[in-house]
Amino acid sequence: KAGVTQTPRYLIKTRGQQVTLSCSPISGHRSVSWYQQTPGQGLQFLFEYFSETQRNKGNFPGRFSGRQFSNSRSEMNVSTLELGDSALYLCASSAAGFTDTQYFGPGTRLTVL
Amino acid sequence: AQSVSQHNHHVILSEAASLELGCNYSYGGTVNLFWYVQYPGQHLQLLLKYFSGDPLVKGIKGFEAEFIKSKFSFNLRKPSVQWSDTAEYFCAVNAQESGGYNKLIFGAGTRLAVHP
Repeated sequence: KAGVTQTPRYLIKTRGQQVTLSCSPISGHRSVSWYQQTPGQGLQFLFEYFSETQRNKGNFPGRFSGRQFSNSRSEMNVSTLELGDSALYLCASSAAGFTDTQYFGPGTRLTVL
Repeated sequence: AQSVSQHNHHVILSEAASLELGCNYSYGGTVNLFWYVQYPGQHLQLLLKYFSGDPLVKGIKGFEAEFIKSKFSFNLRKPSVQWSDTAEYFCAVNAQESGGYNKLIFGAGTRLAVHP
């Protein structure tokens, strides 16, 4: 089975721009979660999508949004980028959600200049 | 708000030494508990998990963890570490926040370095 894939792997943007990250889950998985990983704050949960609906969300501002398509692929969008948005963005897929094993992708390294 | 604390940020051990990594969480309700590991250059992967039943759970590569409800703890142990256990270890808790949302809350991580 192919693992979770994320594209692009690296991204450089400037303040004020917006960015879209993509995550393709493991085949058959309906849950996709997104996380932000930084040296200072560690791993923080952004949101979870299940069957095209946002089911759970963390404590991030509205500039962070996402969506999930009918094939379970998910995108995360960050608008009006700030320097503090520089981070590794991880997505994880699972069959049912948090009570299930999360399979993580390699992440997208976003640098905001 | 719920939180997860990992007591040690960096641990250095020699091969064959015993390992115990502490994890405490703050949440009074039902929790699901996890330990994830990230080996150098690899993705985060599940080491073990506890949902219910026997509080002593066994995971991959000889790791085990004990859930002690009264102490809100879920410590990770391995009797004899190997150089290949060098990695970063994350404790995580699935808890329900106010408003009915669930989230997976991670600890800050513990970097383990095992010297041959």
